[in-house]
Amino acid sequence: QKEVEQNSGPLSVPEGAIASLNCTYSDRGSQSFFWYRQYSGKSPELIMSIYSNGDKEDGRFTAQLNKASQYVSLLIRDSQPSDSATYLCAAYNDMRFGAGTRLTVKP
Amino acid sequence: NAGVTQTPKFRILKIGQSMTLQCTQDMNHNYMYWYRQDPGMGLKLIYYSVGAGITDKGEVPNGYNVSRSTTEDFPLRLELAAPSQTSVYFCASGLDHNEQFFGPGTRLTVL
Repeated sequence: QKEVEQNSGPLSVPEGAIASLNCTYSDRGSQSFFWYRQYSGKSPELIMSIYSNGDKEDGRFTAQLNKASQYVSLLIRDSQPSDSATYLCAAYNDMRFGAGTRLTVKP
Repeated sequence: NAGVTQTPKFRILKIGQSMTLQCTQDMNHNYMYWYRQDPGMGLKLIYYSVGAGITDKGEVPNGYNVSRSTTEDFPLRLELAAPSQTSVYFCASGLDHNEQFFGPGTRLTVL
């Protein structure tokens, strides 16, 4: 069974801290990985994509991919209360999503 | 551009009823998708399409049907509604299998 797994949380961090979100996947054929943010009652929106091993930075967000360990992570620096949401990890060999990690950033 | 639009926003069905969830995109995307999201869970792919006239099953296709006669529209049909189909349904579109743009969702309850 191909799976994408995330810690369900909730993860709580103080404002200004680094939030670290983790994801593992079982399908070694997956080539593309994505992080979506979903506010409560809203639809998911793409915040990061990563295809190669290593780090990819975009503003306060850094995605990390390790294909050998089948591990993807998302770091959010200088966390803001507006970052409070559920973060979904996706592996796109066959469009599988994890269950999401709920992040709360406390002022 | 309106992006991806879905109708209706909410619907309550009785067991055994049928309905069609509508999805339209105005971005000229070839790829379109239907997902369901159960409470506290991630998205599960129901069906997808890589262009007009082409559809394929996703992870959870049973109980659903789709068609893609135009680039813009990708309706999802529920023939015999069951309580297990109570969920939030999201339609998405994209230029390729990478970035997907999601519609606002349809919240369906089957009683």
